[in-house]
Amino acid sequence: AQSVTQLGSHVSVSEGALVLLRCNYSSSVPPYLFWYVQYPNQGLQLLLKYTSAATLVKGINGFEAEFKKSETSFHLTKPSAHMSDAAEYFCAVILPDYKLSFGAGTTVTVRA
Amino acid sequence: GAGVSQSPSNKVTEKGKDVELRCDPISGHTALYWYRQSLGQGLEFLIYFQGNSAPDKSGLPSDRFSAERTGGSVSTLTIQRTQQEDSAVYLCASSKDRGAYEQFFGPGTRLTVL
Repeated sequence: AQSVTQLGSHVSVSEGALVLLRCNYSSSVPPYLFWYVQYPNQGLQLLLKYTSAATLVKGINGFEAEFKKSETSFHLTKPSAHMSDAAEYFCAVILPDYKLSFGAGTTVTVRA
Repeated sequence: GAGVSQSPSNKVTEKGKDVELRCDPISGHTALYWYRQSLGQGLEFLIYFQGNSAPDKSGLPSDRFSAERTGGSVSTLTIQRTQQEDSAVYLCASSKDRGAYEQFFGPGTRLTVL
């Protein structure tokens, strides 16, 4: 069965530092992968998605992710963290029946 | 255009009462999904609709949960005889169609069962 695993439930970074959030997938077929962000008391907002086109995917707010089949990974990065990036981030995979299966989430805090 | 809207934003109820949660998807979106977000379980799929049909109800936790969608638009999730473990944020999402299309999420309904 397809699934995703997020490594690290909490990440703390300094403002201006690199943000790296890890996601590994398990799938026997090419997966469709997503990163969502959730700000406090809000719904989920799509950051970016991988649908088997380019392996380097650029999203909103300066985020990007690289699909690496050899490592079964889809890690999310942002070169320079901003205070507004403090939120919870979810990696997700579309299952064959089109529902999303989410990772456990990673909470990002940004230190001034 | 308007995004996905959900009402109420917050609902506090007593154990044993019934509650109805409403979702208004983006106009023209044929697929609609309900998810539940709770501390212990993370984000879980509940049910999805393609038009007014719900081909997959496998995620509904018990027979106290039901959902319907009318006119290919508004959906209602009903929880009967609520229990404390039903306390969670219920999120609705819609997409243009089934498949790998982006699912747009509403702000959620926070349900608290006392």
